[in-house]
Formats: sequence, structure tokens, C-alpha cells
Amino acid sequence: AQSVSQHNHHVILSEAASLELGCNYSYGGTVNLFWYVQYPGQHLQLLLKYFSGDPLVKGIKGFEAEFIKSKFSFNLRKPSVQWSDTAEYFCAVNVNFGNEKLTFGTGTRLTIIP
Amino acid sequence: GAGVSQSPSNKVTEKGKDVELRCDPISGHTALYWYRQSLGQGLEFLIYFQGNSAPDKSGLPSDRFSAERTGGSVSTLTIQRTQQEDSAVYLCASSLTRTLAGGPSDTQYFGPGTRLTVL
Repeated sequence: AQSVSQHNHHVILSEAASLELGCNYSYGGTVNLFWYVQYPGQHLQLLLKYFSGDPLVKGIKGFEAEFIKSKFSFNLRKPSVQWSDTAEYFCAVNVNFGNEKLTFGTGTRLTIIP
Repeated sequence: GAGVSQSPSNKVTEKGKDVELRCDPISGHTALYWYRQSLGQGLEFLIYFQGNSAPDKSGLPSDRFSAERTGGSVSTLTIQRTQQEDSAVYLCASSLTRTLAGGPSDTQYFGPGTRLTVL
């Protein structure tokens, strides 16, 4: 079965620092990849998604992610974080186009220090 | 427009009791999903409904869990004889049907969840 690994469980950064959150998946075929964010007290929201084409995907709030097929990775990046980026970030993969259930990583808690 | 709604937002129950959790998907979305978010773990898929097709129940952890979707809209997740390990946030999501077979997955929109506590 497919799996998703997020190796950073808790990341603490100062405002204006650059961010990179790791995401690796295990599946040899075609995948759709997603990053979701959960701000404190709010529900999950889509940050960005990759289906095909340009492996560099831009999302909301200045986030981007790069799909590297050879590394089975889909790392999330942001050049300069803000205090409002404090949240939990989940990477997810869909591997079966006949069934769109998502397999999620365990999440990375991001804390931004003002 | 209105997003996915879930009720109740919080549910505290005693071990051994049955509970029902409700999900109202976004109008027009034919796909509906249930996930579970346990403390310290990621989101775990439970069950998936797509239109009139048979649901994918492969994620249900035991036969105490069941779900139905009436009229292709509202869904109810039922947990019978609840156990303490059932304590979690239960999330519902919905999405549009893919317009092309084999095409990209549609974005899943999540509700606020129901926090279930089994004492």
C-alpha cells in the first residue's frame, strides 16, 4: 500500500526565515499530490496540488512545491514565512484514479516566532 | 457558497454506546469521504462514496463502523459499541466528479470535523 512520510514533526522558525517541509511518498506509478493546511481552530484547506505538467506548483499565500519524481518527493517551500503561517501542514497522495481517497502524512506542525 | 458541514461539532459518549455523526457535503458534489484524525497521527481514510457506486469501505477499522449516504447527499457515520480508541476527530470531505475518466482528481473540501471523546 502507498504511504506518505513527513519527516519534520515540528518546525520552529522566526518570521522572514525560509521554509522547506519534506514530503516523500512510496508508489511507483502516477500520482496526484497535495498539500493541505490546518490553521489553529480551522478546518483543512488546500494549499496546492500537482496533477501533471510543470513540476513546480504554486499555491496560495506564497507557497510552492516541487515534484521530483526520481526522489518520490513533493517538498513544500516558502521563501519568507509570516507569523500567520503558524499551522499544521499535511502532505497527501492519491494513487488510484478510480478511487480518489487520499493517503496523508502524519503532518508537520509549524510554529513561527514573531 | 456553503461549505461542508458536520454535526455535532463535539460528542462525548460512554464506552459501549453507539454514536452517529452527520455530514452535509457541498451541494452538487457527488463524492463524499470520511477520514479520522487521531492524536499524534495523520488523517486516516475510512470510507468513500461516489455517486450510485458501491462505497469503498476498505478503511473502516472494524465492523463496529458503518456509513450510509442517503439520496446521494447527506452521510451518516455510525460507530457501535464505542471504545476509547475510537476517540478522534472525524472529518468529512466532498468533491466533484471527475469530468474525464482517468483525469486528475478533484480537490476535496473538508468540513470542520466532529471531535469524538469516548470515556
